Amino acid sequence: AQSVTQPDIHITVSEGASLELRCNYSYGATPYLFWYVQSPGQGLQLLLKYFSGDTLVQGIKGFEAEFKRSQSSFNLRKPSVHWSDAAEYFCAVGHHPGDMRFGAGTRLTVKP
Amino acid sequence: EPEVTQTPSHQVTQMGQEVILRCVPISNHLYFYWYRQILGQKVEFLVSFYNNEISEKSEIFDDQFSVERPDGSNFTLKIRSTKLEDSAMYFCASSGTGRTEAFFGQGTRLTVV
Repeated sequence: AQSVTQPDIHITVSEGASLELRCNYSYGATPYLFWYVQSPGQGLQLLLKYFSGDTLVQGIKGFEAEFKRSQSSFNLRKPSVHWSDAAEYFCAVGHHPGDMRFGAGTRLTVKP
Repeated sequence: EPEVTQTPSHQVTQMGQEVILRCVPISNHLYFYWYRQILGQKVEFLVSFYNNEISEKSEIFDDQFSVERPDGSNFTLKIRSTKLEDSAMYFCASSGTGRTEAFFGQGTRLTVV
């Protein structure tokens, strides 16, 4: 069965610290992989995506993610977190938007 | 930058009433979608729409739901007889010819009382 797991429901980091949000998936073939961010009261904004090629992808707002096929993972990273990064982060996988599965989300809190 | 817009941002309705959620997708996009997110739960796919017909739908999208593109710009989701469990954030999304990624609107929070 297709599924997406984000093991961390809530993460707290200090401003300026590094961040890694985990995402694991189960899918029949390598799907397209996405990270979305949802700020309070806002919609889903695409941070980055992986379709093929270089397994390290760069996104907006200084985020990057690395696809590891052997681990079925697509973890999101940022070297230095800013207070404005506090939000909910969703990993999603699928071959097209009608096939997309979302993880449960990880809520990020940033301490001053 | 083009964006998907949804109206209203919040709607409260009584159980059993019909509601219509409205969306204006990005203008040159061809594929349109509805998703929902019940509070505290995952975002779930409801339906996709292409060339004036439903192309995929999930098991959530039962007979009480319908979608329509009444004109060249709007895309609507109708819930015929709302239930308490329909309370959720509903997201509209659209994608272009490549259909590789979805661009989401801000969402409509539906509260059924």
